[in-house]
Amino acid sequence: GEDVEQSLFLSVREGDSSVINCTYTDSSSTYLYWYKQEPGAGLQLLTYIFSNMDMKQDQRLTVLLNKKDKHLSLRIADTQTGDSAIYFCAETLSGGYNKLIFGAGTRLAVHP
Amino acid sequence: GAVVSQHPSRVICKSGTSVKIECRSLDFQATTMFWYRQFPKQSLMLMATSNEGSKATYEQGVEKDKFLINHASLTLSTLTVTSAHPEDSSFYICSAPQTSGRANEQFFGPGTRLTVL
Repeated sequence: GEDVEQSLFLSVREGDSSVINCTYTDSSSTYLYWYKQEPGAGLQLLTYIFSNMDMKQDQRLTVLLNKKDKHLSLRIADTQTGDSAIYFCAETLSGGYNKLIFGAGTRLAVHP
Repeated sequence: GAVVSQHPSRVICKSGTSVKIECRSLDFQATTMFWYRQFPKQSLMLMATSNEGSKATYEQGVEKDKFLINHASLTLSTLTVTSAHPEDSSFYICSAPQTSGRANEQFFGPGTRLTVL
C-alpha cells in the first residue's frame, strides 16, 4: 500500500544545515513534495520534484531523490529560527489525480 | 500564488450540533477540492475528494453521512460535521489543485480548528 515515513524530530543550531529525510513505498509516485506547516496554520508548498529527477535546488533548499531506494531528502542551508516548523513530505501517485499521501511530519527546532 | 480561504478559522460548539466549514478558492476555479483532518502532532489524513457538480468521494473509514460535503460552485466547497461529538474535535484543512500552475500544485487553506464540548 501507500506509505510515507519520516523521522519525527530534528534539532539544529542556527546557521547549520538541516537535512530532513523521507521514505516512500509506492514506486508509481509521480511527484514528491515538501510542505511546511507553522503552528496553527495550513500548509505551504516549499518545493517539489518530479520522479524522473535526482536533484532540485531552489535558493536555500535542495531536494535529493533516490528513486531506487525510494528515499527523498530536503536540505535547508543556513537554517534560521524562522525555519522552525513541521515539514511534511508527500507524494502523488500515477492515476491518483492530485491525491496527496503525507508523511507524519518532521518537527524542526532551530536553536541559537 | 493562488489563495484558498477557509471559514471559520475556529469554532467551538456543543455536542450534538452541526458545524459547517467553507473552503473557497479566491482567484482560481477548482473543480476538485480535498478535505483533510489533522490530529494534534499528527499528519494530514485525507477524508474526501470534493467534486463540483457531483458526489464527493470518501476515503475508506470516513462516514459520508457524518461529514457532508457539497461542492456547489467552482470556487466553494463546504464540509458539514453533523451531530458533532468531542471525538470530532480536530483541525480541518482543505486544499485545491491548480493545474494551470506548477506541476500538480495544491494550495491549502489556513485550516479550521473545531472544538466540540
